[in-house]
Amino acid sequence: DTEVTQTPKHLVMGMTNKKSLKCEQHMGHRAMYWYKQKAKKPPELMFVYSYEKLSINESVPSRFSPECPNSSLLNLHLHALQPEDSALYLCASSQVRLANTGELFFGEGSRLTVL
Amino acid sequence: SQQGEEDPQALSIQEGENATMNCSYKTSINNLQWYRQNSGRGLVHLILIRSNEREKHSGRLRVTLDTSKKSSSLLITASRAADTASYFCATAPSQGNLIFGKGTKLSVKP
Repeated sequence: DTEVTQTPKHLVMGMTNKKSLKCEQHMGHRAMYWYKQKAKKPPELMFVYSYEKLSINESVPSRFSPECPNSSLLNLHLHALQPEDSALYLCASSQVRLANTGELFFGEGSRLTVL
Repeated sequence: SQQGEEDPQALSIQEGENATMNCSYKTSINNLQWYRQNSGRGLVHLILIRSNEREKHSGRLRVTLDTSKKSSSLLITASRAADTASYFCATAPSQGNLIFGKGTKLSVKP
């Protein structure tokens, strides 16, 4: 069982909707990540938070807005999405932002469909 | 751009056989990691090998790393139907974040 919990597991939304994806971890990790994964593709990094501060934004469109309320929670706010944004959104955490030296713990993902 | 490239893209074997997947990368790395992903699920970390290591074992998994060739291999011995999944190598460059390769889809037939 994963120790990173993502909700909801599935989300269907229209292009004018506002919704949020949530991620929670209680491993004391200080770095959290959002990845986007299209079918049959590898995960692509979107955002990295380190000690609750946004440290990496991989040129993600502003219709995706991350938020880290505290060290255990990570949100991804969605607004005015396009059908091509349909994908599996994965949250991950690591002990520190030095992902270069450690493993990532992934949640099970939120499957997003934009109509 | 992607750092790791797995080979083959797809592999189909019988239960009990060994499965070998390869990963090539382009720049210098701190470590290389392998992850497994069951269909539609999250990724699970399998093993990490550091740049100064050449081989590492974990249960039925054996990973090798050749930094001179910028390549790694993952061997799964005595495969089981439950090993059916996609396997990704992920490279940790000296600067920057973990970069995932395209993955190998492994199918183990009972």
